[in-house]
Amino acid sequence: KNEVEQSPQNLTAQEGEFITINCSYSVGISALHWLQQHPGGGIVSLFMLSSGKKKHGRLIATINIQEKHSSLHITASHPRDSAVYICAVSSGSARQLTFGSGTQLTVLP
Amino acid sequence: NAGVTQTPKFQVLKTGQSMTLQCAQDMNHNSMYWYRQDPGMGLRLIYYSASEGTTDKGEVPNGYNVSRLNKREFSLRLESAAPSQTSVYFCASRSTIATNEKLFFGSGTQLSVL
Repeated sequence: KNEVEQSPQNLTAQEGEFITINCSYSVGISALHWLQQHPGGGIVSLFMLSSGKKKHGRLIATINIQEKHSSLHITASHPRDSAVYICAVSSGSARQLTFGSGTQLTVLP
Repeated sequence: NAGVTQTPKFQVLKTGQSMTLQCAQDMNHNSMYWYRQDPGMGLRLIYYSASEGTTDKGEVPNGYNVSRLNKREFSLRLESAAPSQTSVYFCASRSTIATNEKLFFGSGTQLSVL
């Protein structure tokens, strides 16, 4: 079973700060997902990565397959970025999705 | 295009009562999942379905049953609810195109068992 560790568990930042959330996993994967869960509870997919780097607006996600590590960066953070960010890894089969316990991000105005 | 539709949003049950959580997706996905989310823990897989007509147990299947009657719908049934089943439940589907795998979630069901 893949073990997925996220750090930090909680993060408080001031508006405008650069934010990094980390995800490490123990077994080789076919894809890694970054998800966002807002206070209302809904979960949305931000990125799927199998290698390299992806960027969408102020969000950047990177993955290092050799080191089994991924990072999610938020540039120029804003209070509306406040949410739980969840890392999930996939082994490619229908069953194997393993989730981290999430990082609670609070961005203060 | 509604994505993943999950009902109900909230439910309160008494111990021993039964209920079914409904989930439907309109994206023609083969893979569908039921998860529960408890405070301080990651999403845990209850059951999954790799394709129409097939279901398999996940990490925490005890006390639950599922049905995948067609490609769109995947329901979760609690036959005799217990307080330990108080949780937030999410249905999800996954597109499995290799270059564009993506997860889609329902809006969640907050279930309280008294």
